[in-house]
Amino acid sequence: DTGVSQNPRHKITKRGQNVTFRCDPISEHNRLYWYRQTLGQGPEFLTYFQNEAQLEKSRLLSDRFSAERPKGSFSTLEIQRTEQGDSAMYLCASSYRAYSYNEQFFGPGTRLTVL
Amino acid sequence: AQTVTQSQPEMSVQEAETVTLSCTYDTSESDYYLFWYKQPPSRQMILVIRQEAYKQQNATENRFSVNFQKAAKSFSLKISDSQLGDAAMYFCAPRDFGNEKLTFGTGTRLTIIP
Repeated sequence: DTGVSQNPRHKITKRGQNVTFRCDPISEHNRLYWYRQTLGQGPEFLTYFQNEAQLEKSRLLSDRFSAERPKGSFSTLEIQRTEQGDSAMYLCASSYRAYSYNEQFFGPGTRLTVL
Repeated sequence: AQTVTQSQPEMSVQEAETVTLSCTYDTSESDYYLFWYKQPPSRQMILVIRQEAYKQQNATENRFSVNFQKAAKSFSLKISDSQLGDAAMYFCAPRDFGNEKLTFGTGTRLTIIP
């Protein structure tokens, strides 16, 4: 049994560069979520997918951010023209709506450092 | 929209003792879920316990239990017989019924003293 996986685990980039993160959810899970966690804070919701459809986006997700989930499997989160304020842990979670409480299972996260 | 307040940035407890972490939240919804998540150092977040707001009975999972007071919008977590492996950041996170978004508090860092 494999949980949610994220790659890379760490990314260091220079300001202005583009970065892309990947999330592989638990295989039967049809919902996938992205959160951002800055130092000393709890995670903040960015967006979520049901299968391949992106159903909700937070206002935190500026025009420089784009997320995709082709074919309803893995997902990518791209940040264009990175800024130092983008430095954070990016968490992915997945769930399967078998129960009303819909538990979200989290991956280990990708830590982004923008120099 | 919901707001979540965890007023204890740090807590410590002696091994085998009991500790209570507090959480208050604000929501205009009547149907929602409440979760406590644990984030150990350098490890991924895992669900500790959940509570459905329509249930009056407090949830219990082994050594973990909650004190849910809907009118006061309070959802505290009690850890009994604390173990070294309980050391982590603990986040309270409500979720409105029909909404997929978890709203997290700022967390409480729990230290277990051997």
